[in-house]
Amino acid sequence: SAVISQKPSRDICQRGTSLTIQCQVDSQVTMMFWYRQQPGQSLTLIATANQGSEATYESGFVIDKFPISRPNLTFSTLTVSNMSPEDSSIYLCSVVQGNFISGANVLTFGAGSRLTVL
Amino acid sequence: GQQLNQSPQSMFIQEGEDVSMNCTSSSIFNTWLWYKQDPGEGPVLLIALYKAGELTSNGRLTAQFGITRKDSFLNISASIPSDVGIYFCAGPTNSNSGYALNFGKGTSLLVTP
Repeated sequence: SAVISQKPSRDICQRGTSLTIQCQVDSQVTMMFWYRQQPGQSLTLIATANQGSEATYESGFVIDKFPISRPNLTFSTLTVSNMSPEDSSIYLCSVVQGNFISGANVLTFGAGSRLTVL
Repeated sequence: GQQLNQSPQSMFIQEGEDVSMNCTSSSIFNTWLWYKQDPGEGPVLLIALYKAGELTSNGRLTAQFGITRKDSFLNISASIPSDVGIYFCAGPTNSNSGYALNFGKGTSLLVTP
């Protein structure tokens, strides 16, 4: 399966600042997603990162707050903008493992980027 | 996305005991997945189920895809300390992305030696 590297692995940020998280995959992948995991909670899908076009956001997430780039099939970034303490979470990059099918696909995850906003 | 109800929320057991956790959905699934998340890591796939009634094993882990297609369970036999972690069930999402996963709230497992 694909190997996913995320940077930074963790960071402490000041309220009002923005931070960009990078996701690098060791092979070309068609489908790439960004998830958020708030403390003690499950994983919530933020958006699908589309190569060469705007990301597809889920309900409750907007581009102004979470701009996403996907310049090629191996790399994506997620920016958390104008951060507040409520944005303290683990942000996870994931890709579809193998050939994707309609319905549920097996996802491979990066180790995550743990952000703490003071 | 569809609601996934996972139980129990947490378990505290002794090494050697068997563990069982389950997940129910508000709608029919064609795939059930079980993941484990260790502290400081992303979730890792344990077992994938693709057919109603399917029973699949991975070492000491066994998972079943319920006949109604609305539930699944995961069993761990003879638990060991490295089984500690959070276990998530996952299934398809009807969100804006048709190819991502929807996750349950997780079962936190603690194993004492």
